[in-house]
Amino acid sequence: DADVTQTPRNRITKTGKRIMLECSQTKGHDRMYWYRQDPGLGLRLIYYSFDVKDINKGEISDGYSVSRQAQAKFSLSLESAIPNQTALYFCATSDVGDTGELFFGEGSRLTVL
Amino acid sequence: GEDVEQSLFLSVREGDSSVINCTYTDSSSTYLYWYKQEPGAGLQLLTYIFSNMDMKQDQRLTVLLNKKDKHLSLRIADTQTGDSAIYFCAESINTDKLIFGTGTRLQVFP
Repeated sequence: DADVTQTPRNRITKTGKRIMLECSQTKGHDRMYWYRQDPGLGLRLIYYSFDVKDINKGEISDGYSVSRQAQAKFSLSLESAIPNQTALYFCATSDVGDTGELFFGEGSRLTVL
Repeated sequence: GEDVEQSLFLSVREGDSSVINCTYTDSSSTYLYWYKQEPGAGLQLLTYIFSNMDMKQDQRLTVLLNKKDKHLSLRIADTQTGDSAIYFCAESINTDKLIFGTGTRLQVFP
């Protein structure tokens, strides 16, 4: 089983709908991140969390919100999806005090029509 | 601000060496990384280098760091078709978060 699991893996939705992407991890890491990947733009950080009570905005947080329900779970919500949020979304974890290496899930492909 | 740049494409013949380049802007980076993304998969760490090092070698991989020019490169010796993927350079900002480059798509042809 994957250490970092994302659901759903693929989702097609319509403009204005609310969408939640979920991430769970079995690595026991405190730090969790949400990135989005767009062709030619690389990965951009949306939100990150260093523990259950900690939420931090990344470089492109507008239009997104997150919830850290437990150490192992970090969900990303789009309250009212728009077409330019069509992208591949990645959840990642890292350990405190280590080299900062990120461990990624397999990605959630979201299409907003 | 933080910015990491890479060329978008590289095409090499099987057996040749590949060199993927990256420039970054934050001189306080602690670690610099190379990640590999295969089709349909997430990113996996390929190698990393601590900011006080100039070079790191790991089997077919050689990482060179030029701190003065804020330039990082990844050399893959004897490139194979299985090396075809997208390669991302990333820098660690105070070990709190990673800033990724745009990714370089490496295509290996026979």
